[in-house]
Amino acid sequence: DAGVIQSPRHEVTEMGQEVTLRCKPISGHDYLFWYRQTMMRGLELLIYFNNNVPIDDSGMPEDRFSAKMPNASFSTLKIQPSEPRDSAVYFCASSPLRGSTDTQYFGPGTRLTVL
Amino acid sequence: RKEVEQDPGPFNVPEGATVAFNCTYSNSASQSFFWYRQDCRKEPKLLMSVYSSGNEDGRFTAQLNRASQYISLLIRDSKLSDSATYLCVVNSGYSTLTFGKGTMLLVSP
Repeated sequence: DAGVIQSPRHEVTEMGQEVTLRCKPISGHDYLFWYRQTMMRGLELLIYFNNNVPIDDSGMPEDRFSAKMPNASFSTLKIQPSEPRDSAVYFCASSPLRGSTDTQYFGPGTRLTVL
Repeated sequence: RKEVEQDPGPFNVPEGATVAFNCTYSNSASQSFFWYRQDCRKEPKLLMSVYSSGNEDGRFTAQLNRASQYISLLIRDSKLSDSATYLCVVNSGYSTLTFGKGTMLLVSP
């Protein structure tokens, strides 16, 4: 299995621009998670999906952030408009059926820099 | 109070040393506990689960003290390849995990 795939791996953009991050979970995994990691705050859960349905988005910092999962093999996290404080590493993770949701498999991350 | 607290380190140890990391969590209803490892500029990966009776995986031993809400990880015979950040992770009964900020370990020759 290829593991969780994220793109792009690096993104540099200017303040005010729209940013779209992409994730392909491991085939057969029912759960998908989006995290953000910074030195100051560590790894924070933004939102997670179960069977393509958003379950908890309480970690999404504000309305500028949105996430979708149109099908079982694809999810996006969009920031519009982006701000310098959004600079971070964004990880996508997936997990199999609920009995083992505790084991999350992370993608390599997208390193976002907003100038 | 933060949900999961760890000493950020770094812990600098020579090869062959034994090193221990500790972690405390605030939610007494927490049900599952883990240690993840994160190499520099890489993604976190599951190192091991932590069971109430304590468990061992090779050179790694994890302990849980529910009464004190405390988790530990012991690494024996440290290798250079053990250099990484170790994240204490708690599942609080739903499908989500709460991560500590991690403890950095540096093993030197």
